[in-house]
Amino acid sequence: ETGVTQTPRHLVMGMTNKKSLKCEQHLGHNAMYWYKQSAKKPLELMFVYSLEERVENNSVPSRFSPECPNSSHLFLHLHTLQPEDSALYLCASSQVGISYNEQFFGPGTRLTVL
Amino acid sequence: AQTVTQSQPEMSVQEAETVTLSCTYDTSESDYYLFWYKQPPSRQMILVIRQEAYKQQNATENRFSVNFQKAAKSFSLKISDSQLGDAAMYFCAYRRVNTGTASKLTFGTGTRLQVTL
Repeated sequence: ETGVTQTPRHLVMGMTNKKSLKCEQHLGHNAMYWYKQSAKKPLELMFVYSLEERVENNSVPSRFSPECPNSSHLFLHLHTLQPEDSALYLCASSQVGISYNEQFFGPGTRLTVL
Repeated sequence: AQTVTQSQPEMSVQEAETVTLSCTYDTSESDYYLFWYKQPPSRQMILVIRQEAYKQQNATENRFSVNFQKAAKSFSLKISDSQLGDAAMYFCAYRRVNTGTASKLTFGTGTRLQVTL
């Protein structure tokens, strides 16, 4: 369970705050992902980085800003969020180029926007 | 676009019994991957079992097995000899075959499995 770590595990922020979520993978993978998990909805893919380049952005509002400084670290910068952004944010990593390209997930950050 | 449907929001099984979780999907692709992920109350999502569509043999991992019906686009998960530790949310997921790029998983809404004594 320590292959992909996320900090903080819980975050409460006001609508005018700026905060960042951090993800680190220790698996030697070359792709990283941000997902949003809301109750009773499928996991929503937000961003994908492959070889440190953003390869997918699923029409996520600009108040979410990802950053991938290297293949082991991924950040999600948050600013002027809305209450509907409250959710569990999951990070995942995978190794592009192998058959299953299985994604390994972190424990998530539970975000509450007041 | 691909979609994944899990029609059972909640299921319950007695310890040591067998339970089957349903999953159907929609795709026009002929080759793809299917996965079952487990998310325990601690929230870390872990892979339970995976299946490649071109393989007709159903995947098995210890007490977990799948019933893959390609024509029906069905991918159910069977848990045998259920244990208290099996209690979790179970997500079915689909991915196209594209080994050269980062994978995009399409998830279902999940089934919450309770295990009772």
